[in-house]
Amino acid sequence: RKEVEQDPGPFNVPEGATVAFNCTYSNSASQSFFWYRQDCRKEPKLLMSVYSSGNEDGRFTAQLNRASQYISLLIRDSKLSDSATYLCVVNRGGGSYIPTFGRGTSLIVHP
Amino acid sequence: DAGVIQSPRHEVTEMGQEVTLRCKPISGHNSLFWYRQTMMRGLELLIYFNNNVPIDDSGMPEDRFSAKMPNASFSTLKIQPSEPRDSAVYFCASSWGQPVSGNTIYFGEGSWLTVV
Repeated sequence: RKEVEQDPGPFNVPEGATVAFNCTYSNSASQSFFWYRQDCRKEPKLLMSVYSSGNEDGRFTAQLNRASQYISLLIRDSKLSDSATYLCVVNRGGGSYIPTFGRGTSLIVHP
Repeated sequence: DAGVIQSPRHEVTEMGQEVTLRCKPISGHNSLFWYRQTMMRGLELLIYFNNNVPIDDSGMPEDRFSAKMPNASFSTLKIQPSEPRDSAVYFCASSWGQPVSGNTIYFGEGSWLTVV
């Protein structure tokens, strides 16, 4: 099993739609979780951290389920500008922070 | 504020040549990462430095790859000799804090390497 797994997509949705991505991780000792966004031919940039209690940033909501070892990202009222690849990041846990990236989920928002 | 600075941005080289990629992390950051990204394998961690010391180099593909961090403001990733399968985008990233804190990682714009 890979350390961090994501559905590569692409998710093709109309403007205004709600879309959700999941990411599963294999190391139960992992402590830090993030979502990064990567635009085409650009570097990854932090979208948001994921906290145990769940957190929201505008149209974006992140959730963590430790029992099932997955994190999720919900995007409401999708915009054309949300089109990008969304990367799940999990630290390796066990007392060290070495960020492991998923391969990303591609989102295409169309008019 | 200056972000992570990488050079060169683009490089095309012939198989067998030496390639050196350079990185200047964000001032004050004490962790530095080298990643490689390809369509097939996604973003892979090659090596991680903390306070200029290599902590984890298990992702370095083979002896042809080497990385150094002689001081807190400079790191290099060297490939010698280069092969076509090394063609990828190489990202350098940095962050601040102790390893367990899980702080934000900031990426450079990447070095796009093509080996022909």
